[in-house]
This record gives sequence, C-alpha cells and structure tokens, in this order.
Amino acid sequence: DAGVTQSPTHLIKTRGQHVTLRCSPISGHKSVSWYQQVLGQGPQFIFQYYEKEERGRGNFPDRFSARQFPNYSSELNVNALLLGDSALYLCASSLEIDLTLNGGYTFGSGTRLTVV
Amino acid sequence: AQSVTQLDSQVPVFEEAPVELRCNYSSSVSVYLFWYVQYPNQGLQLLLKYLSGSTLVESINGFEAEFNKSQTSFHLRKPSVHISDTAEYFCAVFTGTASKLTFGTGTRLQVTL
Repeated sequence: DAGVTQSPTHLIKTRGQHVTLRCSPISGHKSVSWYQQVLGQGPQFIFQYYEKEERGRGNFPDRFSARQFPNYSSELNVNALLLGDSALYLCASSLEIDLTLNGGYTFGSGTRLTVV
Repeated sequence: AQSVTQLDSQVPVFEEAPVELRCNYSSSVSVYLFWYVQYPNQGLQLLLKYLSGSTLVESINGFEAEFNKSQTSFHLRKPSVHISDTAEYFCAVFTGTASKLTFGTGTRLQVTL
C-alpha cells in the first residue's frame, strides 16, 4: 500500500513567485495536514483539512492557502514567496482528526522549497 | 497553549552506549505524546506514542519512553545505540482541542564508533 506521496520533491523559486505543492494521503485517510520545517527547527503546523473542509490553521500569513479535493488529496499554495519561505514542507495524513483514535500521522517525505 | 522543550540540540554517543533524549512539555489539558525520528532527507517516522494506560511505552527497535505527569516529561531512552540510530528525534504533543501536533526543536543523535 502506498504511503503519503508528495510532489515535487525539490523546487527552486524566485522571490515574489507563486508555488503549489501537492499531497496524496494514504488510501482511506480523510485528514491531511501541512507542516513547515525550517532548517534546524521542528515542524510548524500550517493547515489541517478533513472531509474537504479546513479544520485548523496555524500562525501563517494569508499568502498561505490550501484545499482538499474529493479524493482527499490536497494542495498547498504560497503566493508572493519570500526568502524565509525556504523550508521542507511536510504533508501528513490520518484516518481522523483526533490522532488518539488512530495513533498519529503518517508523514510524506516532503517537498524541499528553496526561494532565491 | 501547549509547548514542547527539547533541551539538548545535539547528543553525541558511542555505539553500544546508553542514551537519553530529554523532552518536557507544558499544557493545561490532557496531553498525548509522540516521538518521531527523521533520517537525512526524509520525512518523519513515528517512533512511539503515549495515549493512555501504561506510562512506559516501547518501540520495535529498542527505544522506550516514560510519561511522567508530575515532571511533565516524556524522555526517550535506549540502553544500547547503533550507528543506524543516527538521526534527528522530535518530541511532539497533541491535545484534542488543537487538532495538531506541536513539535519540539529536535535533538540530533550522533552515534560514532
């Protein structure tokens, strides 16, 4: 069974550009969450989606947006890129919102975004 | 709001020696605790978790962690490390009210011969 898949694996963008990152959850998982991991730090929560609705949002500017599709895959969009947006973007899927019901997330390998 | 503190940014240790990676949390509500491991250029893998019941939890590769409510800690231990344990380890807390994991800053475990 395939795990959480993210695309692309690496990406280089210029300041001011727009980027779209994609995530396919494990089959049957209804919840997708996005995390940003800046080099040398722990992952920071960006968004959670469940059944195509936003259920949680972290402390990120409005330049960050996301959506979940009927097949439960998800996209993370970032507009007007800044140098500080350079990071590893992780997607995580789970059966339900409540991680205690199913033991936690399964993470993808991430998309490494470099803004120059 | 909850928070997680991993006091040690790096822990060097010789192979076959014991190791402890420290994790302390703060939260005003019931917490559920996780340890994740991240190998270079990879995502996070769940190592072990505490949800309820026995305060001592174990992973399949010899790690264990003990939930200590009075000390608000969830330290990770292994009695004998291997070179392949070299990785970044993250402690995280989940509370049902937040629907998200809050991670610590990570501890780099470097195992050498």
